[in-house]
Order: sequence, then C-alpha cells, then structure tokens
Amino acid sequence: GAVVSQHPSWVICKSGTSVKIECRSLDFQATTMFWYRQFPKQSLMLMATSNEGSKATYEQGVEKDKFLINHASLTLSTLTVTSAHPEDSSFYICSARLWGREQYFGPGTRLTVT
Amino acid sequence: QKEVEQDPGPLSVPEGAIVSLNCTYSNSAFQYFMWYRQYSRKGPELLMYTYSSGNKEDGRFTAQVDKSSKYISLFIRDSQPSDSATYLCASNSGGGADGLTFGKGTHLIIQP
Repeated sequence: GAVVSQHPSWVICKSGTSVKIECRSLDFQATTMFWYRQFPKQSLMLMATSNEGSKATYEQGVEKDKFLINHASLTLSTLTVTSAHPEDSSFYICSARLWGREQYFGPGTRLTVT
Repeated sequence: QKEVEQDPGPLSVPEGAIVSLNCTYSNSAFQYFMWYRQYSRKGPELLMYTYSSGNKEDGRFTAQVDKSSKYISLFIRDSQPSDSATYLCASNSGGGADGLTFGKGTHLIIQP
C-alpha cells in the first residue's frame, strides 16, 4: 500500500517551453500532496504544498507563476514548469500524505532543459 | 544554520556490522521524525517514522529520538550490501499540511 507514481520519469525539453509532471496516489486518497526539488548531491527541498481543491502554498523563494500546481482530485496533483530554463534542470519529486503524518514519495522526474 | 544537520559521509562499513546514522535538529517545533532510504536517481522510501522520544524497532532497523538534545539516530543491524544507499532524516512540526525538512543525507556503503 501507499504507492505514489510520477509521470514522466524523465523529460528533456528546450529552453522556453513548458513541462507538466503528474503525481498520483495509486491506492489511497491524499488530501495533501507536496512537491520537492533535489539538485545533485543535495537534499530534498520543499517547493510547495498542494491541497485538493485549493490553491497551493509555495515556499519562500519559489516562483508560483513559474511552477504551477494543480491538485484537481484526491489522487492527482500536477506540477507545470513554465518557460523552463537550464537552471530549472533538477530532480522533481512529489509526496502524498496518508492519514498520519508520514509522507510517501513518488519515484521522481528528472528534468533536463537544453 | 540548516534546521536539520546530517553528516554526508560517505560511511563505509563491512557487511554484518551495526550501522549508526545520526542527525541533529535545531527547530524546537519539530515533533515528528522520519528516516528515508534513497537509491541513486530514485524517490525516497520511508523506513521509520517516530514521534516520541525513545526507541522504535522494525526488523533490522531501530530509530532513536532524544528530544532533549535534539538528536535522532537510525541503527541498522546485520548490514547487507543491499543497504548501500543514501539515508535521509526528515522532520516536521506535525501539521497536516506540513512539508518535511530534510537533512543532506548520509551516503552509506556496505562492503561485501
């Protein structure tokens, strides 16, 4: 149980284009999902908190107009990186909260912007 | 100062040894503590989740929390080469919408 999937697992895009990443909780309903970013040899940094049916809450320093988050259902949250630039290249990982405090993570999406 | 500090390693030990991984935290509001294992280019896998001070055991893993000194540990008994990975400690204050604050992770290598 508590399986979270992400799609795609790897994407390459050209600078200036937009990329959408999906995060799904497969066997449970998640009222809250989180988006993290991880640069090489660095830890995970929280980008935003996503609650079903409401606007996402972004961490300080994360541009909400650049990283659009939509939590349309209890099992799906999407992150869209708009007008991507090479510095946005990173490993993006989502997590979903079960009924407790623990979070279960997806396998991650590796974004490369050329 | 980062809110969660963790020695990045690498930590190399022989197979079968007991491994001790440690983190310190500075935020007194942190109440929940988790240990994740992350293999290269994969998402973190939840290993242990604790709330109160003391020990919690699950198979070969034991998580220890000392809130008075703001110190958390993970012990791995009978370590195996498959345990080689990066181990991340994480914490939050426990609110339902609370994201996790992670340590930098310790890279563990179990030598066969």
